[in-house]
Amino acid sequence: TQLLEQSPQFLSIQEGENLTVYCNSSSVFSSLQWYRQEPGEGPVLLVTVVTGGEVKKLKRLTFQFGDARKDSSLHITAAQPGDTGLYLCAGSNSGYALNFGKGTSLLVTP
Amino acid sequence: KAGVTQTPRYLIKTRGQQVTLSCSPISGHRSVSWYQQTPGQGLQFLFEYFSETQRNKGNFPGRFSGRQFSNSRSEMNVSTLELGDSALYLCASSSDRVYEQYFGPGTRLTVT
Repeated sequence: TQLLEQSPQFLSIQEGENLTVYCNSSSVFSSLQWYRQEPGEGPVLLVTVVTGGEVKKLKRLTFQFGDARKDSSLHITAAQPGDTGLYLCAGSNSGYALNFGKGTSLLVTP
Repeated sequence: KAGVTQTPRYLIKTRGQQVTLSCSPISGHRSVSWYQQTPGQGLQFLFEYFSETQRNKGNFPGRFSGRQFSNSRSEMNVSTLELGDSALYLCASSSDRVYEQYFGPGTRLTVT
């Protein structure tokens, strides 16, 4: 099993602040995805990165895949209460299964 | 396009019973994966089916089983339920780009 470590585990910030969450592994992944999950719901796919060094932007969210394809980061600019949720990274090599990190629980208060 | 649907959404069972959960993938998706999510362990892979064949299996006991039908709908079964089986069971479907999975809302199973 290829482990994905996410940090921080919990994050509580005020609206308007910036934040970065990290996803690290000792293994190389062919692709990595970020998901957001709200309580009682399934994870929703935010982005997929496949190329080392790749940067993708989704409105105020910026995702980066490490050059060695072992790590990734998610940066949120000017966080809003609607960004509250559990952020999960997931890596794949076999294509048959995703290995998930345990997630970063983000709370954004007005 | 309709999303992944799972039924039932909530289920309460007693230790020792068995349970069957159902998943309907996004139309056109032939791969269905199942995951168990608990606060302590996070999301853990159970198994994946493609065109009615199990392609991969996670590290779960044989009490956990699944199948896929010709219309890509999938079921998972847990026999002889234990208290530790209480979890959110998530189904995800994907098309050719297997690593992009789309999740259903999950079935919340409580074992008492």
